[in-house]
Amino acid sequence: GENVEQHPSTLSVQEGDSAVIKCTYSDSASNYFPWYKQELGKRPQLIIDIRSNVGEKKDQRIAVTLNKTAKHFSLHITETQPEDSAVYFCAAHTGKLIFGQGTTLQVKP
Amino acid sequence: EPEVTQTPSHQVTQMGQEVILRCVPISNHLYFYWYRQILGQKVEFLVSFYNNEISEKSEIFDDQFSVERPDGSNFTLKIRSTKLEDSAMYFCASSEKGGRLGYGYTFGSGTRLTVV
Repeated sequence: GENVEQHPSTLSVQEGDSAVIKCTYSDSASNYFPWYKQELGKRPQLIIDIRSNVGEKKDQRIAVTLNKTAKHFSLHITETQPEDSAVYFCAAHTGKLIFGQGTTLQVKP
Repeated sequence: EPEVTQTPSHQVTQMGQEVILRCVPISNHLYFYWYRQILGQKVEFLVSFYNNEISEKSEIFDDQFSVERPDGSNFTLKIRSTKLEDSAMYFCASSEKGGRLGYGYTFGSGTRLTVV
């Protein structure tokens, strides 16, 4: 079945540094790739998404890139701040969302 | 901003009992979903629902589970004969253009189910 692999599982950076989280997906029919931020006990919050006909999208400090050939997409957060600390999930959509395993990002002040 | 509403926020139940989790999707959305998240793990797809029937279900969604849209606003997940391993956060989601296009999901705040 469809599968999404996410790396790394944990990521610790200094405030102001960049953070990169990478995902690969198995189903070439996937057409939509959202990224979610989840704080403890809360719902996943959409932070950025990209559709399969776009290679890159940026929203202030957050950017996502998509390589359909390699079935690979990445989240880039620049100028990280302590409030960016959370669990981040990638997902791929083919009729439903399939989530990656999550990355716990810690931004140290 | 429109929200997906879930009730209750927390449900504790005895093993073997039946529970019903309730969701009110956004009014103009046509696609409805249930996902679950066991503590510390990823969000897992359970079932999708469109045009008053199940569109797709995962391996997790066995005969113990059922979904229903009893009226024009509610979308429910019933778990019969709950097991300890059913303890998880259950998220309802709705989407205006889900299914084919995927974008526009809105997640509810979740129901934390604890089976004791």
